[in-house]
Amino acid sequence: EAGVTQFPSHSVIEKGQTVTLRCDPISGHDNLYWYRRVMGKEIKFLLHFVKESKQDESGMPNNRFLAERTGGTYSTLKVQPAELEDSGVYFCASSQVAGAGFEQYFGPGTRLTVT
Amino acid sequence: DAKTTQPPSMDCAEGRAANLPCNHSTISGNEYVYWYRQIHSQGPQYIIHGLKNNETNEMASLIITEDRKSSTLILPHATLRDTAVYYCIVSKPPRRGGGYNKLIFGAGTRLAVHP
Repeated sequence: EAGVTQFPSHSVIEKGQTVTLRCDPISGHDNLYWYRRVMGKEIKFLLHFVKESKQDESGMPNNRFLAERTGGTYSTLKVQPAELEDSGVYFCASSQVAGAGFEQYFGPGTRLTVT
Repeated sequence: DAKTTQPPSMDCAEGRAANLPCNHSTISGNEYVYWYRQIHSQGPQYIIHGLKNNETNEMASLIITEDRKSSTLILPHATLRDTAVYYCIVSKPPRRGGGYNKLIFGAGTRLAVHP
């Protein structure tokens, strides 16, 4: 069974540019989560999809971030325009069933560097 | 979600048991205790979770005190590959009609396993 995959593994862009990160969850997992770790900080929750619906987007930092999950399969996270403070590692996770008692499987992350 | 407290770092000799403590004194009666770890530059990896009873799987054992205010993750025979940051996370159960278990990561414990 393939794990959670993320693309690209590393992206370097200039301030003001746009970047789109992609996450492919484990097949059959309805729940998809985005997290990120910015330099020197802890891993923070961004948002949660159940199929194609946003269940919780309380962690999205501002309206420069747009997450989509059309068709309830893969998800994209777009940052437009990117700022220096957006640099960090963006993780995607998926789980089979939402709720306590069910583990989340994380992808390897996308390292975003904004210069 | 309940806040957890972990020591910032620990050392362990290869082949010995690693015992990682976690305090969660404000845990609610229906909150689960999860343990994840992050090996350098990889995504977080699920280890184990529990509610009240002690749990064991192929990776580790989880000991939860009777009052549930603390727990210990035990790696019975630590190897060099177990060097990682270990996160103790307390998560709410699902809400009525469905829910989610976003993970709130703290700073974790950096475990160094040495030869």
